[in-house]
Amino acid sequence: EDQVTQSPEALRLQEGESSSLNCSYTVSGLRGLFWYRQDPGKGPEFLFTLYSAGEEKEKERLKATLTKKESFLHITAPKPEDSATYLCAVRNFGNEKLTFGTGTRLTIIP
Amino acid sequence: SQTIHQWPATLVQPVGSPLSLECTVEGTSNPNLYWYRQAAGRGLQLLFYSVGIGQISSEVPQNLSASRPQDRQFILSSKKLLLSDSGFYLCAWSVRGLYNSPLHFGNGTRLTVT
Repeated sequence: EDQVTQSPEALRLQEGESSSLNCSYTVSGLRGLFWYRQDPGKGPEFLFTLYSAGEEKEKERLKATLTKKESFLHITAPKPEDSATYLCAVRNFGNEKLTFGTGTRLTIIP
Repeated sequence: SQTIHQWPATLVQPVGSPLSLECTVEGTSNPNLYWYRQAAGRGLQLLFYSVGIGQISSEVPQNLSASRPQDRQFILSSKKLLLSDSGFYLCAWSVRGLYNSPLHFGNGTRLTVT
């Protein structure tokens, strides 16, 4: 059974203070790892897909990286508008569904 | 561009009452469709997914059911709600046949069973 574990559960940073969120996964055959952003009361918004170890994707202040066992979401010089819950999910070669972690709730303090 | 609509946004229902949540997708054809539930402090749990009209796969045994009467319409139902059915219900779609299409979510329905 696919498993995704995210850490920390919650993270508070000062504006401009860079940090990383972790996503550890166990999957029979990784077809793709996905990062989403979720604002309170809203559905998750797609950010990145990573396919293979060593791959990196960037969007504004966010950079996602992938190894064979985990993925990191690096946030550089964050702003208050980056405050949200960040979700990680994996898809294996056997089906179409995504298995999600419980997320990291990120708060950026002005 | 593609859009996904879910309604209602919030719902308060008594235990034992029926449920019907509807989701429609615009701007794409033959999508894969999904129903997820998100409980407080827990990850998104897949309830049902569909790769075509009338084709429903159930992931979790429960008193909920799903139907896909049209290509871009997905309905989540229950005959009798339980307290444990409370949660945030999310509909999503992905591109069928695209190797690693991400899921695109609607804005959810907050269901409270009292």
